Amino acid sequence: GQSLEQPSEVTAVEGAIVQINCTYQTSGFYGLSWYQQHDGGAPTFLSYNALDGLEETGRFSSFLSRSDSYGYLLLQELQMKDSASYFCAVRSHRGEAGTALIFGKGTTLSVSS
Amino acid sequence: DVKVTQSSRYLVKRTGEKVFLECVQDMDHENMFWYRQDPGLGLRLIYFSYDVKMKEKGDIPEGYSVSREKKERFSLILESASTNQTSMYLCASSLRGRGANYGYTFGSGTRLTVV
Repeated sequence: GQSLEQPSEVTAVEGAIVQINCTYQTSGFYGLSWYQQHDGGAPTFLSYNALDGLEETGRFSSFLSRSDSYGYLLLQELQMKDSASYFCAVRSHRGEAGTALIFGKGTTLSVSS
Repeated sequence: DVKVTQSSRYLVKRTGEKVFLECVQDMDHENMFWYRQDPGLGLRLIYFSYDVKMKEKGDIPEGYSVSREKKERFSLILESASTNQTSMYLCASSLRGRGANYGYTFGSGTRLTVV
């Protein structure tokens, strides 16, 4: 089956750096994605890693190690607006021909001043 | 601005009612998905569709069905609503195949309460 593990909560202060880890188990791997969701809002796509290594997009970076079935999201220069839930997700085969994202349970990040 | 639109933001229904949740996307995406989100459980896949009239079960399809008669519209149906179906329901869409790696677009969600 498929499963993803990530911490339930992380706290940090403005300006700090925080890392949210994700380990996964899946049959067939099509890459690791990250989504952000603010309270009451829709999840929004942040990043996608198909190959090992670090992908950087502004203050956010995402890392993948396929041999370790592990990835992380790195948030730098934290701002109050980064307070949100962060979900890792893997794409998995479902049914005869389709694939769909399977999500972790989410990490709630609280940024304080 | 491209988007996924869910017909209702809040919905209250009675136990045993048949409930329709509607989702429309304007991005010409092939794939559409229904998830439910509950505190501490993350997003769980109910059903998805990769083409018109095609549907696939997700991880928790029991008590639900879906309909996709047109490419842009994907409906979730609760055949006989029960209180354990009280939840936030999120619709999403994506491109097919590798295009799905470039992200799903989610609707704002429908918070359904079954009393």
